[in-house]
Amino acid sequence: NAGVTQTPKFQVLKTGQSMTLQCAQDMNHNSMYWYRQDPGMGLRLIYYSASEGTTDKGEVPNGYNVSRLNKREFSLRLESAAPSQTSVYFCASKIGRDYEQYFGPGTRLTVT
Amino acid sequence: KNQVEQSPQSLIILEGKNCTLQCNYTVSPFSNLRWYKQDTGRGPVSLTIMTFSENTKSNGRYTATLDADTKQSSLHITASQLSDSASYICVVSAPSMNRDDKIIFGKGTRLHILP
Repeated sequence: NAGVTQTPKFQVLKTGQSMTLQCAQDMNHNSMYWYRQDPGMGLRLIYYSASEGTTDKGEVPNGYNVSRLNKREFSLRLESAAPSQTSVYFCASKIGRDYEQYFGPGTRLTVT
Repeated sequence: KNQVEQSPQSLIILEGKNCTLQCNYTVSPFSNLRWYKQDTGRGPVSLTIMTFSENTKSNGRYTATLDADTKQSSLHITASQLSDSASYICVVSAPSMNRDDKIIFGKGTRLHILP
């Protein structure tokens, strides 16, 4: 039981490049989330998927797109990376409302 | 506006000492409050969860308290160990008409334990 896994762990991009961050969970959770964490800012919600087939914007969605590929997988895409997107990205999942979130190990992204 | 404020921002204590971290929130209505521990370079891990009807919850050397009237919570760490060095994040959930709860994160308290 791996929990929540994320790939890659580290990535360096040049401004304007695109990439997709992958997230998978093996806990049969319904809800999945993408957050970014910046120094002094705490965790901020980018997008979430409350159930397979749905996605909704969070607090800071601009510059990102997501795909809930199936119940297990939720990907985050940066179409044209900007230095302001330099951050640590966390994927999380939970069974449903009022339940605990389980976080992945994070992806550290640097955009130069 | 729904907010979660934590204090202090950072704290340094000697190994073996106790400490208390604070969390004040303005979230209303309120579903539950969780404390997470985040080690450097890792994702947060849940320590405790409390609903509005609970006023204390323990997990080993970690004890969380909740006063729903004053909208305050604290996390007390007893007999600190070097492995307690981490960030501690207070998270409040509120019911929402959207497809999921509204989850509000505090900015965390960075705890350093010195040998």
